[in-house]
Amino acid sequence: QQQVKQSPQSLIVQKGGIPIINCAYENTAFDYFPWYQQFPGKGPALLIAIRPDVSEKKEGRFTISFNKSAKQFSLHIMDSQPGDSATYFCAAILTGGGNKLTFGTGTQLKVEL
Amino acid sequence: DTEVTQTPKHLVMGMTNKKSLKCEQHMGHRAMYWYKQKAKKPPELMFVYSYEKLSINESVPSRFSPECPNSSLLNLHLHALQPEDSALYLCASSRTGSNEKLFFGSGTQLSVL
Repeated sequence: QQQVKQSPQSLIVQKGGIPIINCAYENTAFDYFPWYQQFPGKGPALLIAIRPDVSEKKEGRFTISFNKSAKQFSLHIMDSQPGDSATYFCAAILTGGGNKLTFGTGTQLKVEL
Repeated sequence: DTEVTQTPKHLVMGMTNKKSLKCEQHMGHRAMYWYKQKAKKPPELMFVYSYEKLSINESVPSRFSPECPNSSLLNLHLHALQPEDSALYLCASSRTGSNEKLFFGSGTQLSVL
């Protein structure tokens, strides 16, 4: 019940395309859904996050869409650039202390020129 | 300062060696974490310190020993490691122990020979 399933495992898009990464969760108690971006040789960095009381959140070129009834959320990257090439992890947690962040399995994104 | 600093960046050790990984943050965060990450996998939680007390130990073998000397510092003492312990070791911090908004360091790439 603690799993977060992420797809696809890898994704190649052309510059300017809109890659979409999908995640599904099982635990309806989760109340915070962050996305982390990780470049090779670096630690993950928080990119954007959403709470289940909203259906969409935008920050720059990054958008999270959230479907509470389907227990799914997705990351869209508008006008993707080669510099967006990285591994993306979705995650979920029940906040309030004592609980651990559950990560998805990761998506390796490559944006080609 | 929004950085989590980890030293060393790379470490090669034999199975009989004793070494320590160090982590430092000056954001006033009261929770600090150790994660282990294998290539192309999500980070796996090892330990959580909240207000300088060990709050989560994810059944990590005793050859890994965490220490939190104060609210800004976190160490991971390594002894008698196995080759399968080779991985990227990530330190993270958050404002409180609720696990929201983790700030990760760049990690220590550990190789055990």
